[in-house]
Amino acid sequence: DAMVIQNPRYQVTQFGKPVTLSCSQTLNHNVMYWYQQKSSQAPKLLFHYYDKDFNNEADTPDNFQSRRPNTSFCFLDIRSPGLGDAAMYLCATSVQLAGVPKNIQYFGAGTRLSVL
Amino acid sequence: SQQGEEDPQALSIQEGENATMNCSYKTSINNLQWYRQNSGRGLVHLILIRSNEREKHSGRLRVTLDTSKKSSSLLITASRAADTASYFCATVPHTGGYQKVTFGTGTKLQVIP
Repeated sequence: DAMVIQNPRYQVTQFGKPVTLSCSQTLNHNVMYWYQQKSSQAPKLLFHYYDKDFNNEADTPDNFQSRRPNTSFCFLDIRSPGLGDAAMYLCATSVQLAGVPKNIQYFGAGTRLSVL
Repeated sequence: SQQGEEDPQALSIQEGENATMNCSYKTSINNLQWYRQNSGRGLVHLILIRSNEREKHSGRLRVTLDTSKKSSSLLITASRAADTASYFCATVPHTGGYQKVTFGTGTKLQVIP
């Protein structure tokens, strides 16, 4: 089945130790997103790739970076995780066609990050 | 700031009852969507309603949209224990270019068997 896959499901890292979360998709969608979700809160968009174009949200800390080497894969790099970065990280995809503003999002199961 | 505010924040009902969740938003939209999130999982798209639509049905789900009041409601009829989840509304703005989705604060629904 076509889907969005996030690995790992659970990640534990140490304060300040870089960590990378991965996302892959078999939907061939042109847009990929990374969201941060803390307990009982709405998902907060960190950034997205529209095809190869990277779009950072204004309030996303510099500590968070992303790479999209090809259509199928996208990575979230946290350069120096702090305790406040412990959260669920959700990857999502969508199809964006010019002039068709539907934007239904397809989510992976998420990676829960713990920072010790 | 959050585009959508939802109420109630939490809702607990008995199995078989109907559940109604409300969403209010601030700016003009192209469409509004509802998503469901089971605990510890990703979000799943449930239904999309366009700004020129007033009501939409999908199985046991009924969504209404009132653009004059900038509000939407999600009704789940004949609820089941498996409907226990958080429900989020999400809005897509009525602007040109890329259409960013903004999620509301969510309603946590508990259906008691």
